[in-house]
Amino acid sequence: AQSVAQPEDQVNVAEGNPLTVKCTYSVSGNPYLFWYVQYPNRGLQFLLKYITGDNLVKGSYGFEAEFNKSQTSFHQKKPSALVSDSALYFCAVRERNFNKFYFGSGTKLNVKP
Amino acid sequence: DTAVSQTPKYLVTQMGNDKSIKCEQNLGHDTMYWYKQDSKKFLKIMFSYNNKELIINETVPNRFSPKSPDKAHLNLHINSLELGDSAVYFCASSQVTVGTDTQYFGPGTRLTVL
Repeated sequence: AQSVAQPEDQVNVAEGNPLTVKCTYSVSGNPYLFWYVQYPNRGLQFLLKYITGDNLVKGSYGFEAEFNKSQTSFHQKKPSALVSDSALYFCAVRERNFNKFYFGSGTKLNVKP
Repeated sequence: DTAVSQTPKYLVTQMGNDKSIKCEQNLGHDTMYWYKQDSKKFLKIMFSYNNKELIINETVPNRFSPKSPDKAHLNLHINSLELGDSAVYFCASSQVTVGTDTQYFGPGTRLTVL
């Protein structure tokens, strides 16, 4: 069965420190990979996606993610966290030949001053 | 000029009632979706329409019926509401073209069934 796993419910990091939010997937073929962010009482906002090409993808607000095919992972990173980055982050995967998205369970990022 | 809008934003109703949530997108996208986000923030797709045609219909009770009058609108009607239907419902849209099908989400409708 197709699935997306975000192994950490919550990630705590101090402002200015690097952060990583993890995502692994189990989807057939070469899927498209996405990261979304959700602020309280808001809808999801697109951050970045991997379609093909360079494994390192840069997105909004200084976030980037690295596609690792052998580990079926798409971890999101940022070199220096901001308090304003505190939010809920979702990894999503879409099969190339079928327009259905699978979302992870979300990781709450807490950045403390 | 909101890209994806939903009405109402909040909906509080009694068990057994019938209610509708409306969604509109002005992005010119050809595909629209309904998602349910439960209290643990888990997001699950319910339906997807492409050019007014139903293409994804997950295991959702028959009490839920989507309707797409045109490409820009996807409404969700729920009959005989139950306590377990309480959740936040998100509408989304995308243009299903290879490599450009980023989904854009509405602000959500928080449904509370009493």
